[in-house]
Amino acid sequence: QSVLTQPPSVSGAPGQRVTISCTGSRSNIGAGYEVHWYQQLPGTAPKLLIYGNNNRPSGVPDRFSGSKSGASASLAITGLQAEDEADYYCQSYDSSLSGSHVFGTGTKVTVL
Amino acid sequence: EVQLLESGGGLVQPGGSLRLSCAASGFTFSSYVMSWVRQAPGKGLEWVSDVSGSGARTYYADSVKGRFTISRDNSKNTLYLQMNSVRAEDTAVYFCAKGITYNFDTSGYYYYWGQGTLVTVSS
Repeated sequence: QSVLTQPPSVSGAPGQRVTISCTGSRSNIGAGYEVHWYQQLPGTAPKLLIYGNNNRPSGVPDRFSGSKSGASASLAITGLQAEDEADYYCQSYDSSLSGSHVFGTGTKVTVL
Repeated sequence: EVQLLESGGGLVQPGGSLRLSCAASGFTFSSYVMSWVRQAPGKGLEWVSDVSGSGARTYYADSVKGRFTISRDNSKNTLYLQMNSVRAEDTAVYFCAKGITYNFDTSGYYYYWGQGTLVTVSS
């Protein structure tokens, strides 16, 4: 069971804005550890979307943005497109676990 | 171009052993942490293990500690995961991933991933 909690699903119409939350605690996000976000299409490896809370790797559209506040982080997708339909995961570090990176529970984004 | 190619997956009986490999190319292999991340069928991602660039330092998730061993052969640009005493709950696609630093970093993330290899634990 992950220590980072995400909503199981979010949905939106094309062109809309959706946000995905990643809720942690004082031993992970709340302790100041950075948050990263991945997109995973069915049957493929995860793709890095956001690193270091709010940085986009080269090639990732600026429709994707990340933020962090307290013990939570969020991924926002603006101008939702059909190809954004995928699973999304946050990732951070947890000091209460032995040398452990942790992933969020995952969120399925559906484009209506 | 960075490439990571896993192999070694398959069907293994509970209590058995399996060794996964990940052949890396396109970067200076010995300069980076390498990791294993797994995903059970229909489930989320789970970090499994990290090994430092030299191979001297290793880190494990509690769920595999004492049963799995991560290692690397920098002369062969290859990462390994020795899986012993496997359980049904170890059934998953195992991805290898390239870290961003030489040693374990709490800020670590993964830009490069392999395509994964499926391990099925069943009698």
